[in-house]
Amino acid sequence: NAGVTQTPKFQVLKTGQSMTLQCAQDMNHNSMYWYRQDPGMGLRLIYYSASEGTTDKGEVPNGYNVSRLNKREFSLRLESAAPSQTSVYFCASSPRGGDLYGYTFGSGTRLTVV
Amino acid sequence: GQQLNQSPQSMFIQEGEDVSMNCTSSSIFNTWLWYKQDPGEGPVLLIALYKAGELTSNGRLTAQFGITRKDSFLNISASIPSDVGIYFCAGMNYGGSQGNLIFGKGTKLSVKP
Repeated sequence: NAGVTQTPKFQVLKTGQSMTLQCAQDMNHNSMYWYRQDPGMGLRLIYYSASEGTTDKGEVPNGYNVSRLNKREFSLRLESAAPSQTSVYFCASSPRGGDLYGYTFGSGTRLTVV
Repeated sequence: GQQLNQSPQSMFIQEGEDVSMNCTSSSIFNTWLWYKQDPGEGPVLLIALYKAGELTSNGRLTAQFGITRKDSFLNISASIPSDVGIYFCAGMNYGGSQGNLIFGKGTKLSVKP
């Protein structure tokens, strides 16, 4: 089925380790986003890419980097994981930035940093 | 920055009951969206509203875009067990290169024990 695919689904890291969360969409969408979800906090934007070749910071970018590898793929990297980065991470995409129809979300990556 | 206040934070439902939740903002939005998140999944779009005063239905769900453009309401009629989950409102001002949904903190629907 068409949609947004995130890998891995689960990950446990030790403090200080690095890892990259992968996201790919097959809907030919221009814009892609990374959110984190914490209990009672809703969804907060980490980084977004309005179009291939551009990336911008969202509400909570500290401790993260992103790469828009091509139109399909948008990865999120944690260079030195901290326990505060324990969260559920969602990737989303939309036809274009500011699209009228909202975003399509992946099923999430559950990350625990110990 | 813009913030959305969503209420209630949680509620228990009994099958057959009607459910109401709302979202308010200190600033206006051009678009209001309602999402549902099932356990272990990402949010899925339920209803999108594009015009102040608009009332839109999707099956047993009805949502309204407030006249002031600072609020929105979601009603679920005759609830069933599969309505359980977290409902998020989201506001957006579309246009330009910065598309950014602002999310409420969610309303968690659970079944009454």
